[in-house]
Amino acid sequence: SQQGEEDPQALSIQEGENATMNCSYKTSINNLQWYRQNSGRGLVHLILIRSNEREKHSGRLRVTLDTSKKSSSLLITASRAADTASYFCATDIRAQKLVFGQGTRLTINP
Amino acid sequence: GAGVSQSPSNKVTEKGKDVELRCDPISGHTALYWYRQSLGQGLEFLIYFQGNSAPDKSGLPSDRFSAERTGGSVSTLTIQRTQQEDSAVYLCASSLKGATYEQYFGPGTRLTVT
Repeated sequence: SQQGEEDPQALSIQEGENATMNCSYKTSINNLQWYRQNSGRGLVHLILIRSNEREKHSGRLRVTLDTSKKSSSLLITASRAADTASYFCATDIRAQKLVFGQGTRLTINP
Repeated sequence: GAGVSQSPSNKVTEKGKDVELRCDPISGHTALYWYRQSLGQGLEFLIYFQGNSAPDKSGLPSDRFSAERTGGSVSTLTIQRTQQEDSAVYLCASSLKGATYEQYFGPGTRLTVT
């Protein structure tokens, strides 16, 4: 079974609105990462949050991590059409490999 | 500097043929990963190389799949006797060390088995 699972599977919002995606995982982690994928090809790293961190910011992105609930959220503020993509969370397994969730497909409507 | 490159970008093959997919990681990255992604799905881990350690092959779906990494750099994923269910995008990624570092992905190879 997947270590990380994103919710919702698909999200459609209007440009300028905020988008929130959630990720839940099952086992203890060292870090959790978020990636973006455009057009079904290579993924781009967005942000990494370590298990001893609770919140991290990068531009319009805000990531939170709650290790007690084994969950993370990715907030994109003031969304733009270019933010349309699939977003994946990934968790490390014993610091050896990353396991990716199924992703959230985000659509920003102009 | 150069990112992760993969070749070919697209491969169409007949069922039963063997295929080789190539990945050139970022220079200096000791960790290299292969993933498979079916249409509209998440990433399925296949294999992980870290330095000179034995690779983690736990994600390879069958013994028709194998991978090697020569000289700690270039990697080749080989699929023997391809089946239609092997059709997917095969993604390679590298990172400075292990899973505690961000991964840099190549553009992928889209494999179609007819």
